[in-house]
Amino acid sequence: NAGVMQNPRHLVRRRGQEARLRCSPMKGHSHVYWYRQLPEEGLKFMVYLQKENIIDESGMPKERFSAEFPKEGPSILRIQQVVRGDSAAYFCASSRGGSSYNSPLHFGNGTRLTVT
Amino acid sequence: GQQLNQSPQSMFIQEGEDVSMNCTSSSIFNTWLWYKQDPGEGPVLLIALYKAGELTSNGRLTAQFGITRKDSFLNISASIPSDVGIYFCAGQRSQGNLIFGKGTKLSVKP
Repeated sequence: NAGVMQNPRHLVRRRGQEARLRCSPMKGHSHVYWYRQLPEEGLKFMVYLQKENIIDESGMPKERFSAEFPKEGPSILRIQQVVRGDSAAYFCASSRGGSSYNSPLHFGNGTRLTVT
Repeated sequence: GQQLNQSPQSMFIQEGEDVSMNCTSSSIFNTWLWYKQDPGEGPVLLIALYKAGELTSNGRLTAQFGITRKDSFLNISASIPSDVGIYFCAGQRSQGNLIFGKGTKLSVKP
């Protein structure tokens, strides 16, 4: 199953450390999206990227969070100087792009970040 | 930020019963999608709807895109134990940026 691959599945960091979350989109998909989910909540949009471009980062916190999708390799969501409030499940999704028609988002199984 | 109102929040039903859940929004979407999420997993796409009034089925699942483009419903017929999970609706205007509902948690009693 060549679905959206995220790693690691679980990540534990101490306050002040950096967290790096990786996402490889489905084969043939060039658009990547990152979402955050708190327990008992829906998913909240963070950022939308194409290769080497950030298209929409309206959901990203202004500080400590960054995302990239380089020409080669996976998309990376980076959280610097993590705090306890960053503990959540982070999901990556990918799509073929173009219009929304017939290009739905497919999600990975997420990275569960715990900040101690 | 924008939110979708999804109801009910949770449902406890008997195996074999039909299930209905819906989502409403104060603004228009071009696409409605329904996802199911199992514990510890990512959301899995069930049905995607692209046109107002569209009615689409996927096995025992049926979903409709409301005429006003501000709502959608999902029906599950003859529920079985593996239908247990959390169902999310999501609206999309153009590329990216899905807006999710808070989910409907479904429990099925055998």
